Amino acid sequence: AQSVSQHNHHVILSEAASLELGCNYSYGGTVNLFWYVQYPGQHLQLLLKYFSGDPLVKGIKGFEAEFIKSKFSFNLRKPSVQWSDTAEYFCAVNGRSGGGADGLTFGKGTHLIIQP
Amino acid sequence: AAGVIQSPRHLIKEKRETATLKCYPIPRHDTVYWYQQGPGQDPQFLISFYEKMQSDKGSIPDRFSAQQFSDYHSELNMSSLELGDSALYFCASSVFGGGLGNTIYFGEGSWLTVV
Repeated sequence: AQSVSQHNHHVILSEAASLELGCNYSYGGTVNLFWYVQYPGQHLQLLLKYFSGDPLVKGIKGFEAEFIKSKFSFNLRKPSVQWSDTAEYFCAVNGRSGGGADGLTFGKGTHLIIQP
Repeated sequence: AAGVIQSPRHLIKEKRETATLKCYPIPRHDTVYWYQQGPGQDPQFLISFYEKMQSDKGSIPDRFSAQQFSDYHSELNMSSLELGDSALYFCASSVFGGGLGNTIYFGEGSWLTVV
């Protein structure tokens, strides 16, 4: 079975601060990794994803994430946050075994609050 | 603690048949979201409801419809099924309108296989 752990449930930062949200997963095979964002009152949007290749993945709105296979981690980063980044962030993993996908498992999410 | 309940967990239908998926949100949650994840693909947002009214619409085919009932559970109805509808369908729920702290909780998904 696959699982995802997000380390911080609530994070409060000031504008222009740097951001790193931790995500670790547990799965014995090949995985696809995702970060989603949900702004207040909206549905999930994909920030970035990793399937294969360069472990440093760049997404929308200046976000990036690094896949470190040896640490089973996929941390999300942004060098300088803005007030509009206030949202909930979800890490997700999709295991691939055999010929099919095991489905998407989400972490419990991290509330990010950016103070002006 | 109670979670988002989806049923059935697995469903096999033939082409052109109809399928109905059900979602029971966490108690006191008034918002429901539906997502579709095809094999090897990202989850795609289909539709959402808040207080029994449709609040947002994504890439939901015209052959699909959904509603939220008075007890806040939701049903996704899919007609004239096609092979490409085979996917994992996620439901999620949250409390809407509370600004921040609007944590979204996901069900485990319903696997639909169209043969």
